[in-house]
Amino acid sequence: KQEVTQIPAALSVPEGENLVLNCSFTDSAIYNLQWFRQDPGKGLTSLLLIQSSQREQTSGRLNASLDKSSGRSTLYIAASQPGDSATYLCAVSGVETSGSRLTFGEGTQLTVNP
Amino acid sequence: NAGVTQTPKFRVLKTGQSMTLLCAQDMNHEYMYWYRQDPGMGLRLIHYSVGEGTTAKGEVPDGYNVSRLKKQNFLLGLESAAPSQTSVYFCASRVMGNIETQYFGPGTRLLVL
Repeated sequence: KQEVTQIPAALSVPEGENLVLNCSFTDSAIYNLQWFRQDPGKGLTSLLLIQSSQREQTSGRLNASLDKSSGRSTLYIAASQPGDSATYLCAVSGVETSGSRLTFGEGTQLTVNP
Repeated sequence: NAGVTQTPKFRVLKTGQSMTLLCAQDMNHEYMYWYRQDPGMGLRLIHYSVGEGTTAKGEVPDGYNVSRLKKQNFLLGLESAAPSQTSVYFCASRVMGNIETQYFGPGTRLLVL
């Protein structure tokens, strides 16, 4: 059974700092890995999707990497801003379910202080 | 496009009562999902559907039933609510294919007393 773990559970940083969020998964047989953002009281918004054949994806100040063999992904946020404050969730799409389902981590709650 | 919408936004139930949560999407997506999210936990899959008229169990299906009679709608039913079903419920949908992301609704907050 696939398990996804995110470290740290919470992170507080001053504005302008670069930061890294970590995600690990136990089964390397995945189709893709996704990073989502969740604002308080809201649904999830997809940030980046990395296919299993890719090593990284970039969108603006966000960069996500994937090391499938070691079961790890990182989300790098450059020059953090207060508007980046949210919970960030990592999720993998597994081969064992033919890619139809996502398994989520518990999330990292990020606070960027002005 | 409204995307994925959920009805109701908030509901309070007494133990033993029943209710149905409605999810609707206007993106002509094949796949639809129901998740629950509890404090300090990620999303856990309850049931999902890969097309009209089909449903399948997810990670935590007990105490819930679902139906997908129309492609655009996915209903989640609680036949006899329990306090352990107090949670925030999210619906999501996506197109077919293994590299597609899911689009989420805003959530339904359910409190069972």
